[in-house]
Amino acid sequence: DGGITQSPKYLFRKEGQNVTLSCEQNLNHDAMYWYRQDPGQGLRLIYYSQIVNDFQKGDIAEGYSVSREKKESFPLTVTSAQKNPTAFYLCASSTPNGYEQYFGPGTRLTVT
Amino acid sequence: EDQVTQSPEALRLQEGESSSLNCSYTVSGLRGLFWYRQDPGKGPEFLFTLYSAGEEKEKERLKATLTKKESFLHITAPKPEDSATYLCAVQGYGGATNKLIFGTGTLLAVQP
Repeated sequence: DGGITQSPKYLFRKEGQNVTLSCEQNLNHDAMYWYRQDPGQGLRLIYYSQIVNDFQKGDIAEGYSVSREKKESFPLTVTSAQKNPTAFYLCASSTPNGYEQYFGPGTRLTVT
Repeated sequence: EDQVTQSPEALRLQEGESSSLNCSYTVSGLRGLFWYRQDPGKGPEFLFTLYSAGEEKEKERLKATLTKKESFLHITAPKPEDSATYLCAVQGYGGATNKLIFGTGTLLAVQP
């Protein structure tokens, strides 16, 4: 079955620690995205990648970093510079025209 | 600035009681309008894409319609399993490639 997997489902970290969230897709999609979801707010775009070895900042990239070394994988690192990292993180992918984005199950990150 | 507003924020229906959810949008050239369903703690599930005013799409008890300023998600004879948050998003030609602008969602509860 084709789809997007995110791991882990829940992640707990102490302040000051970097943490990497995994996102893998086997849909053969070129484009991949990272969004953040907070209560009472719409999903906000963190980073996106249209093609391997290339990525662009979204609306809220500060304190985050990404890599795109393989078509199937788009990991997100939440650094200690992110002021408010506790949130629900969603990875998505799409075909090159980008009309429909398909989402993974999400990772809930809690930083204390 | 591209913007999406969804109403109501929350809606409680009795099983079988039909209703509609609203998504108002402003965008510099609509490339597509998307409806997603999101269950608690899970990633959004793609429902529909609408491209131009007058277009309609149906899936089981759901029907999405589009005008130049808004979209409606009509729910006919809902069942308790239709309970979820329904998200609306738009993609415009003016901004970053493939970027989706999301509303904050409508939380639907269908009581038996």
